[in-house]
Amino acid sequence: DIVMTQSPDSLAVSLGERATINCKSSQTVLNRSNNKNYLAWYQQKPGQPPKLLISWASTRQSGVPDRFSGSGSGTDFTLTISSLQAEDVAVYYCQQYYSIPPWTFGQGTKVEIK
Amino acid sequence: EVQLLESGGGLAQPGGSLRLSCATSGFTFSSYAMSWVRQAPGKGLEWVSAIRGSGDSTYYAVSVRGRFTISRDNSKNTLYLQMNNLRADDTAVYYCAKDTENERGLFDYWGQGTLVTVSS
Repeated sequence: DIVMTQSPDSLAVSLGERATINCKSSQTVLNRSNNKNYLAWYQQKPGQPPKLLISWASTRQSGVPDRFSGSGSGTDFTLTISSLQAEDVAVYYCQQYYSIPPWTFGQGTKVEIK
Repeated sequence: EVQLLESGGGLAQPGGSLRLSCATSGFTFSSYAMSWVRQAPGKGLEWVSAIRGSGDSTYYAVSVRGRFTISRDNSKNTLYLQMNNLRADDTAVYYCAKDTENERGLFDYWGQGTLVTVSS
């Protein structure tokens, strides 16, 4: 199984500042035949289900603010919130959907306001 | 509007059984794979099981294989999870999640979840 490891486990960022979350997979999630990374980012606010933010490592879902961006390839990925807003307080998860199941999630990164 | 509504959670004894349901609307149910994803209290997300749109292929996490059975009724737009021989570590909120394709593993809609508590 592909193991997803996020860092840090938590971070506190001032409003308007940048938040950066890293995600590393134990093996590549890049499909070289189509040059796509099978990596997603989800946001989960307290008491709510997860919400898909980014797919294919860098494609924002419709309606997701452009302060959220994803980058990376192969085994190393980053979710960046360029200017943290109060409503961005949440736990963020990366997930690989490469090949057949099991599809696996990172352990989550909690983002708080400093 | 896509909607997913889970039901069937509750308290079960170790070794007991529960059947979860996920009623859906707002999309062509039979065209998409569906999954169950769980979250233990205060913990992260764990994919549990998936089923293709036609129901002809199913997948399970090692932790539930042989104890849980996923199924679907495309005439009722409903997903199920039969959970047998429950253990304390099955305690979690169980979410049903819609796949973006037929067996992609990318989840664009989630239900609100149903809590399963396994305790004597």
